[in-house]
Formats: sequence, C-alpha cells, structure tokens
Amino acid sequence: EAGVAQSPRYKIIEKRQSVAFWCNPISGHATLYWYQQILGQGPKLLIQFQNNGVVDDSQLPKDRFSAERLKGVDSTLKIQPAKLEDSAVYLCASSLDGRGRVRTDTQYFGPGTRLTVL
Amino acid sequence: KQEVTQIPAALSVPEGENLVLNCSFTDSAIYNLQWFRQDPGKGLTSLLLIQSSQREQTSGRLNASLDKSSGRSTLYIAASQPGDSATYLCAVEGYGQNFVFGPGTRLSVLP
Repeated sequence: EAGVAQSPRYKIIEKRQSVAFWCNPISGHATLYWYQQILGQGPKLLIQFQNNGVVDDSQLPKDRFSAERLKGVDSTLKIQPAKLEDSAVYLCASSLDGRGRVRTDTQYFGPGTRLTVL
Repeated sequence: KQEVTQIPAALSVPEGENLVLNCSFTDSAIYNLQWFRQDPGKGLTSLLLIQSSQREQTSGRLNASLDKSSGRSTLYIAASQPGDSATYLCAVEGYGQNFVFGPGTRLSVLP
C-alpha cells in the first residue's frame, strides 16, 4: 500500500513570498490533516478535512494560510505571505475513518515538507 | 486547554536495557492517547493507540499504559536496540478536540 505523499520535500523562500505544499493521502482515506512542526516541538494541527469539507481549522492562521481539498483526495496548503516564524516542517496525514471527529483509526503521516523562510 | 508534556526530553541508554518514557496531560477527559515514533527527516509512525476505556496496549517489545485519572501514560520498551533510536511523541485526543502532541523524548540506544 502506497503511503502519504508530499511535495516538495524542501523549500527555501524569503519572507513575504508565497509557497504551496501538496499532499496525496492514502487511497480511500476520508480524513486528511495538515500539521505544523516547529523544531523541538510536537506537531500542531492546522486543519482537518473530512472528504472535501473542513472539520476543524481553528488553529489555522487564516490571514496568511489557506488550504483546500478538491474532490476529496489531494490537498494543497498555501502560505501567503510567509513570515520568518513559519519556518517549520509541514506534515500531512490521513486516516480511514469517515465518521467526522470521532476518530479511532490510526493516522498515517507523510515525510513532510521542510520550509525555511529567510 | 490541553497541555502535554514528556519526560525526559532526551535519553541515552546502552543496548539491551529496558526503559520507560513518560507522558503527562492536564485534562483527563480524553478520547484516546497515541504513541508515535519519528525518525530524522521523516514523518511520524504510529506505534500504539489506547482508547480511553483501555488501560494498556502491547505490540512486540512495546507496552503502553494509560492512567486517565492521574493524567499519565508510559511507554515501556523492552530489550532496547540501536534501531529504536528516534524521537517518541505522545498525543492525546479530547472529546470535541483534535490531537495535542507532546514535545517528544529523543532516545539514543548505544551499541
């Protein structure tokens, strides 16, 4: 079974520039998550999708971050404009369950995209 | 607001030792708790998931326990191996809340 795919793996940009990350979840997984992991910390959930609908985006900085999951499969996360404090690893994960926020299924993580903002 | 801490932040042990990693959380009203492993430059791999109604879960040399009332979980690794070297994170999910991760324990198993 193919895992969660993410691209690019690394990205270096200057502050105030824009950047986009792409995620392809495991086939058949209804739920998709984007996390931000700052060096030395655990991941922080940015947004959760159930199929193509947003379940939770309470920690997404909506003035600069946006995400979409068209057709309930692939997803993109965009930052515009980037700030120095956005430097982090952005992780995408997916899980099988289709029951909204009642989760009993394991989350499978992609390798992440390491973003450096100069 | 749920807060998750992990002790120790880093641990170095010789191969073959049994070891315990600790995870504490402030809000005991959780739905489940999960232990993950993260290797450098890679994503997280789920190790064990404990539902709130369970007390422990076992997988191979790993055993995780959960004590909701005291807000604690432990991950026990038996007969550690160099391949166990990684960062171990715990994450809790509260009712109506998403996963909150701890900062992790960085484990080094020396041959």
